[in-house]
Amino acid sequence: DTEVTQTPKHLVMGMTNKKSLKCEQHMGHRAMYWYKQKAKKPPELMFVYSYEKLSINESVPSRFSPECPNSSLLNLHLHALQPEDSALYLCASSQGDRSGETQYFGPGTRLLVL
Amino acid sequence: AQTVTQSQPEMSVQEAETVTLSCTYDTSESDYYLFWYKQPPSRQMILVIRQEAYKQQNATENRFSVNFQKAAKSFSLKISDSQLGDAAMYFCAYRIFYNTDKLIFGTGTRLQVFP
Repeated sequence: DTEVTQTPKHLVMGMTNKKSLKCEQHMGHRAMYWYKQKAKKPPELMFVYSYEKLSINESVPSRFSPECPNSSLLNLHLHALQPEDSALYLCASSQGDRSGETQYFGPGTRLLVL
Repeated sequence: AQTVTQSQPEMSVQEAETVTLSCTYDTSESDYYLFWYKQPPSRQMILVIRQEAYKQQNATENRFSVNFQKAAKSFSLKISDSQLGDAAMYFCAYRIFYNTDKLIFGTGTRLQVFP
């Protein structure tokens, strides 16, 4: 089973709202990732969690706040977003042993900021 | 810095025919991994094939195969017997063997398949 699930599938929020994106995997992976993808562009890495600790933050604005409650779950908390933050947000996971193993992606959350 | 280049923004192929998608990369590393991911219009990114740089043999997965030329830093994807379901955006990606969890993506090639 190589499934990564994400909820919700779609999200519309105003610039003053607070919302959260959720990601879950049950493959025993210890590395989890958040990516942002604009239309017709490749995914851009935002955050990496390795063994439940934040290991990479790609200079993402503080209005995006990641959280890894346990090894299976990854959240992305959103607050005071801008319209330009509208995008597809992808979660991925991998074994986490840094040996170049494959990242498995979820279906994404399509976010629209009004 | 490592970069990945996909020079074909769009490609098209007829059903049952063969198509090759190009990818070149730039790195000073000797150990790394290369991937082809497929993203259909339904948007989920799916791994198509993976190649370890230390392996000389080209990877194959059913109708998908790669032509890995390490010296030329080239990693093309060949799709044989194309099917309508192969229509998607294809991303080439690179990952260093050690230290980092970063995948470096190319800009993608949109593949259309005509009946």
